[in-house]
Amino acid sequence: GAVVSQHPSWVICKSGTSVKIECRSLDFQATTMFWYRQFPKQSLMLMATSNEGSKATYEQGVEKDKFLINHASLTLSTLTVTSAHPEDSSFYICSAWSSGSAYEQYFGPGTRLTVT
Amino acid sequence: GDSVTQMEGPVTLSEEAFLTINCTYTATGYPSLFWYVQYPGEGLQLLLKATKADDKGSNKGFEATYRKETTSFHLEKGSVQVSDSAVYFCALIHRGSQGNLIFGKGTKLSVKP
Repeated sequence: GAVVSQHPSWVICKSGTSVKIECRSLDFQATTMFWYRQFPKQSLMLMATSNEGSKATYEQGVEKDKFLINHASLTLSTLTVTSAHPEDSSFYICSAWSSGSAYEQYFGPGTRLTVT
Repeated sequence: GDSVTQMEGPVTLSEEAFLTINCTYTATGYPSLFWYVQYPGEGLQLLLKATKADDKGSNKGFEATYRKETTSFHLEKGSVQVSDSAVYFCALIHRGSQGNLIFGKGTKLSVKP
């Protein structure tokens, strides 16, 4: 099946710094990429939807100036957490979708962010 | 709005036991329904899906039937293995929604030898 990678798999940063997370579709071109946040023992919460070459669409309550998403190519999307705070600590998961995959999204392994 | 409710875990079973994880949904129209599985340290993988009422999705011994009358999509397996230990997510998508999945909270399954 299609493979989606994320980098890094875990990161620890200090409060006030910015962190960039990459999401890559390795063997297919992703029309759309999704970014989710997963809290412990809770479900995945959709943060934003990004289409290649256009601005991301953010879900209600997600600060677009804090969570910057760039979908520069059909195989790469990045999420930058700016001026991180401890409450931003979470598990961030991306998924990729292509118009040829019907309704199936392919998920990355996730990135564990800890802000100290 | 649309939502998915699945039974809270964790669920602990012995090997070869029967598994049921309940999932019900609230949605307008006729969504497509999915079960995803997340093994430790890995990303979510599609386990099975059903796109219309009475469809049965099946994979790796797991089954789920799309029941419109009860708005349910319960996951079942007749004989679980230790390797089935994972977190299972029920989810739905509306056709034409550009793939926007709505997830349940997940159910952690632990299978003991």
